[in-house]
Amino acid sequence: DTEVTQTPKHLVMGMTNKKSLKCEQHMGHRAMYWYKQKAKKPPELMFVYSYEKLSINESVPSRFSPECPNSSLLNLHLHALQPEDSALYLCASSQDLYRANYGYTFGSGTRLTVV
Amino acid sequence: AQTVTQSQPEMSVQEAETVTLSCTYDTSESDYYLFWYKQPPSRQMILVIRQEAYKQQNATENRFSVNFQKAAKSFSLKISDSQLGDAAMYFCASLSGGYQKVTFGTGTKLQVIP
Repeated sequence: DTEVTQTPKHLVMGMTNKKSLKCEQHMGHRAMYWYKQKAKKPPELMFVYSYEKLSINESVPSRFSPECPNSSLLNLHLHALQPEDSALYLCASSQDLYRANYGYTFGSGTRLTVV
Repeated sequence: AQTVTQSQPEMSVQEAETVTLSCTYDTSESDYYLFWYKQPPSRQMILVIRQEAYKQQNATENRFSVNFQKAAKSFSLKISDSQLGDAAMYFCASLSGGYQKVTFGTGTKLQVIP
């Protein structure tokens, strides 16, 4: 299995809703990442997990809450989002932080729309 | 700090022809890696090719090759025999230091004309 699977593919949520994005990989990778990508822009790093521990938080607002319950699964919990949070959310993984030089494996993303 | 610059927002190429996408970067690190990622309309970012900065030899992957000019901090991607499936957004990226953070360029949208 050489894939990163993200669910759902599309999500529409109101500003008062609570929802979660899910990312799963079974490649034995120990580093996982959340990126946010606005239209026609490069991905922007949000969070990095290494061996299930949060390694980097790029000053992301607290309405985004990451969770890594095990080495295969990464969640992003969403609460009280704003319309400007509408974007493509990409998950990625690498063997570990110090072998990230081999490149990341990305999922297909979740297209989030906040109404 | 790392910066990656792609000065061509859009490029086009005739099918079966060759196209070169430009990228320049800046880093104070001596140990770093460079990448080209492809993002087709399906949205998934796909690793096209990677280059280790300490290697002088340019990386090649089938129809994709790079021209790595370390002194000039330039890392261009050449696509030979372009195919319709090559149409996508291409991002140049760098990874250095503690390997924790990839820096992406702003992307080049490649159109392949039949």
